[in-house]
Amino acid sequence: DVKVTQSSRYLVKRTGEKVFLECVQDMDHENMFWYRQDPGLGLRLIYFSYDVKMKEKGDIPEGYSVSREKKERFSLILESASTNQTSMYLCASLDRGSTDTQYFGPGTRLTVL
Amino acid sequence: GQQVMQIPQYQHVQEGEDFTTYCNSSTTLSNIQWYKQRPGGHPVFLIQLVKSGEVKKQKRLTFQFGEAKKNSSLHITATQTTDVGTYFCAGRGTNAGKSTFGDGTTLTVKP
Repeated sequence: DVKVTQSSRYLVKRTGEKVFLECVQDMDHENMFWYRQDPGLGLRLIYFSYDVKMKEKGDIPEGYSVSREKKERFSLILESASTNQTSMYLCASLDRGSTDTQYFGPGTRLTVL
Repeated sequence: GQQVMQIPQYQHVQEGEDFTTYCNSSTTLSNIQWYKQRPGGHPVFLIQLVKSGEVKKQKRLTFQFGEAKKNSSLHITATQTTDVGTYFCAGRGTNAGKSTFGDGTTLTVKP
């Protein structure tokens, strides 16, 4: 079974702090994604990566950056956290085999005070 | 860019009633996936449709892909309380490198 893990289930940070959210997948997938999920707004794509050291902006990249130094790890960085970044963050890994299946991690609920 | 619209946003049904959610794309799709997210959980892949007019079934769930490959639907027959959650579609445009998610339909089932 594909496993996608995220470093924390719950995180509380203060405004202005630098925040790192880590995501690790164990299936050697090339494509990885970061979404945020807010009530009534569905899944909004922040950044995605096609391969190591490659990254593409999603629909809402402002205030975020990413790092993909190793194939299995995709990190989301909030350079200076703000209260409007309080949200559920979901990482996903894509299997481009017979189906376009995205495997999601359990999510990190981030609260910025 | 590609847009994927999903309706309704919320649906409340009595247990045993049927439920349908619809997904419409602004562009022609090469495929569409459906996911289910249980309350407190993360989205889990249900199925992918690829062919024009395709219909697939999983027990009480029926998935359809439109002839023009721009819309899709998920129909649940005789809902059960275990069906509660948010159902997302995600469509990949014919020239797109990634899928775009709809906003989801949240289903609640009253026993």
